[in-house]
Amino acid sequence: EVQLQQSGAELVRPGTSVKLSCKVSGDTITAYYMHFVKQRPGQGLEWIGRIDPEDDSTKYAEKFKNKATLTADTSSNTAYLKLSSLTSEDTATYFCTTGATHFDYWGQGVMVTVSS
Amino acid sequence: DIVLTQAPLSVSVTPGESASISCRSSKSLLSSKGITSLYWYLQRPGKSPQLLIYQMSNLASGVPDRFSSSGSETDFTLKISKVETEDVGVYYCGHRLEYPLTFGSGTKLEIK
Repeated sequence: EVQLQQSGAELVRPGTSVKLSCKVSGDTITAYYMHFVKQRPGQGLEWIGRIDPEDDSTKYAEKFKNKATLTADTSSNTAYLKLSSLTSEDTATYFCTTGATHFDYWGQGVMVTVSS
Repeated sequence: DIVLTQAPLSVSVTPGESASISCRSSKSLLSSKGITSLYWYLQRPGKSPQLLIYQMSNLASGVPDRFSSSGSETDFTLKISKVETEDVGVYYCGHRLEYPLTFGSGTKLEIK
């Protein structure tokens, strides 16, 4: 069974960057696109973007084009989400998700808190 | 961007009764391949979302058949029959017709 293990919670300063990881087990990361989804406290789901680990091609939601960068390392079966120029608006839980059907598998989520 | 509008905002259900959640799309979700690109997810309290329904009416693996979904190209309904306490959470609809992918704002299901 495919499992997605995300990195631990982060407390970061405004204006800095953070890089979150999502490690795939049970299959190769190149099998499917990897998507990332944002959820602010008490709010709904927001699609950030996706990467095709096969060729590193990416798609982003417009509002995240200057905020998020998706990468993948096939040697470690891991996808990454880098968030830059962090503000309080970036305080949220970030999920990675993938699968053959669509969002079949989800990581446990990683909470990012932006605070001085 | 495709806007998905869910209703109601919340629903309170007695165990054993049924519940319905609506999702309306601002654009037809019927793809050129004849697939209706509408998905339903459940996010239980404190948990990651899980896929319930794919391509409008197909049950995801391991999901009980108390869950069903139907609709047209723009209007969709998730029905939960014989609601159980484990069904508590927030239900989201979503699409994958085109980028950007979007989700509805969610419907919270509570038990009476």
